[in-house]
Amino acid sequence: GAVVSQHPSWVICKSGTSVKIECRSLDFQATTMFWYRQFPKQSLMLMATSNEGSKATYEQGVEKDKFLINHASLTLSTLTVTSAHPEDSSFYICSARSPFLLAGDGKNIQYFGAGTRLSVL
Amino acid sequence: AQKVTQAQTEISVVEKEDVTLDCVYETRDTTYYLFWYKQPPSGELVFLIRRNSFDEQNEISGRYSWNFQKSTSSFNFTITASQVVDSAVYFCALSHTTGNQFYFGTGTSLTVIP
Repeated sequence: GAVVSQHPSWVICKSGTSVKIECRSLDFQATTMFWYRQFPKQSLMLMATSNEGSKATYEQGVEKDKFLINHASLTLSTLTVTSAHPEDSSFYICSARSPFLLAGDGKNIQYFGAGTRLSVL
Repeated sequence: AQKVTQAQTEISVVEKEDVTLDCVYETRDTTYYLFWYKQPPSGELVFLIRRNSFDEQNEISGRYSWNFQKSTSSFNFTITASQVVDSAVYFCALSHTTGNQFYFGTGTSLTVIP
């Protein structure tokens, strides 16, 4: 099956610093990746759709300047939380959409990374 | 409007019992996909199944089975002879066939007691 790697799995930082999270598709090329945020015991909230070679599409209410997304290659998308504050502490999880040819009619399946727990002090 | 409802917030069962997780969805699309994902305590979401809206056949995979009823807009998930390793949060999700957007339910936290 498709494997998505997310790094780091856990990060603690001081308020005001920036944190970069990487999301890699290891065994397939992903033109589209997604970034979600999950608060404790809640569902996943889509933050943005990351498109290779173009600007990310952000969901309503998500600050573009706060959460910078770069999708420079077909296997890597990064999310940078700029000037992080304690309210940014959360679980961030990425996913990559399977290419059509990966598993027959595997269209539209999203494979998820293991997530990154961000704690801002 | 797209919406996925998982009314059961938390379920506890004793090991070896069967358990059914409910999922009800709303959509105006005539074609769509339904999914189930498992999120163990470690955090990653594990893909379990995808179902096309035009395929109402029930599916069985080992101890897992899924019951898709288009007439009631439900896509329920049953675990037979539950095991402690089944303890996790389970998410049901809906997506368009043409778009990227996933609509997740709020999840059901399953605890299997040994």
